[in-house]
Amino acid sequence: DARVTQTPRHKVTEMGQEVTMRCQPILGHNTVFWYRQTMMQGLELLAYFRNRAPLDDSGMPKDRFSAEMPDATLATLKIQPSEPRDSAVYFCASGLEGIPQIGQYFGPGTRLTVL
Amino acid sequence: AQSVTQLDSQVPVFEEAPVELRCNYSSSVSVYLFWYVQYPNQGLQLLLKYLSGSTLVKGINGFEAEFNKSQTSFHLRKPSVHISDTAEYFCAVRVRGSNYKLTFGKGTLLTVNP
Repeated sequence: DARVTQTPRHKVTEMGQEVTMRCQPILGHNTVFWYRQTMMQGLELLAYFRNRAPLDDSGMPKDRFSAEMPDATLATLKIQPSEPRDSAVYFCASGLEGIPQIGQYFGPGTRLTVL
Repeated sequence: AQSVTQLDSQVPVFEEAPVELRCNYSSSVSVYLFWYVQYPNQGLQLLLKYLSGSTLVKGINGFEAEFNKSQTSFHLRKPSVHISDTAEYFCAVRVRGSNYKLTFGKGTLLTVNP
């Protein structure tokens, strides 16, 4: 049963610390998305990649957030320095471009708490 | 740009009652439509989708949705709910063509009571 995996599932850190979240997309999928979910804003798209290339990161605060895909099996989202307002659940999703019937497969999320 | 409005933030129902979760969208171009379900402390799971063809689509767990182009709606229905259907439900749209970004609604929390 193919699924998207994310680590860590939970992260508690102090303001100013660096946070790295990792995602392993489903093997063979060529698109990866990072979302942030909060009570106030709901689900927000932060960034997405196609074939490991970033296509849109307009949803990300550029000064502190960065997203990369070092290889096809790993996507990372970094926050440096972290702030309390970054506390949220961060989801990674993967899919196949040009195959809309597949939709996007979501990982279980990383719950981030910044104190 | 596209937008999705889920008209009810919370819907409480009793077990075995029917339910409808409402979704309206706005888009200047043709879209694909999706419903996702999120159980507590889990990621989103695709429930069903409308791509083309029949406007009534069936999904997992006995859910179905009807696409109404004239009313730009994609309401989700289930004739008889179970306690296990308690979850948050998200409606989403995606523009047809090369843009595959999903735009989500704010979500509807369905609570099924015994």
